[in-house]
Amino acid sequence: AQKITQTQPGMFVQEKEAVTLDCTYDTSDPSYGLFWYKQPSSGEMIFLIYQGSYDQQNATEGRYSLNFQKARKSANLVISASQLGDSAMYFCAMREGLGSSGSARQLTFGSGTQLTVLP
Amino acid sequence: EAGVAQSPRYKIIEKRQSVAFWCNPISGHATLYWYQQILGQGPKLLIQFQNNGVVDDSQLPKDRFSAERLKGVDSTLKIQPAKLEDSAVYLCASSLKPRDRGWSTEAFFGQGTRLTVV
Repeated sequence: AQKITQTQPGMFVQEKEAVTLDCTYDTSDPSYGLFWYKQPSSGEMIFLIYQGSYDQQNATEGRYSLNFQKARKSANLVISASQLGDSAMYFCAMREGLGSSGSARQLTFGSGTQLTVLP
Repeated sequence: EAGVAQSPRYKIIEKRQSVAFWCNPISGHATLYWYQQILGQGPKLLIQFQNNGVVDDSQLPKDRFSAERLKGVDSTLKIQPAKLEDSAVYLCASSLKPRDRGWSTEAFFGQGTRLTVV
């Protein structure tokens, strides 16, 4: 079963407008973290924002905010005041609990959303 | 702080040949991951190391893929023999060993190696 679902293969937004990228997840672990990464055409995965399952408030990092709805198991990324440089692939990812021997478990990624910012 | 280094950036080989990728994680990062990203898809974990021990290699095609992390620092990922479907970007990532809330540990990625098998 898909653990991370991103239903928007592509999105367009006008420069300076806000855009929401959708992400739903599936886990039975009460302890988990949700991450958003940006992947420009250069290929590197750039960490944007993190939300923990026990966090009471939605995470914010500059122009990025995470709309976390735990009951709906959604963690949508909101980018405000879009810029041309925001054009990239965006991935939602989840890490569940702690693995054996206290190691961090793997990050499981969704299929991504290609965002294009129009001038 | 230096990021995760990977080499080569690009590689083209013929099917049935062998290839190796190298990764140098961020200094002090105990956890190292190799991900495979096929065009149009999200990254998929191949193998995870904690120091020089394997934590998770359940999705590694062990008949052709191998990986090692000598002395708990650098790592190499090898494919032998390569198949056409191995064409992908191979991403290396590293993170600190979690102290408590391990699910919050951020992973830092290298720029990846783009492999084309012809």
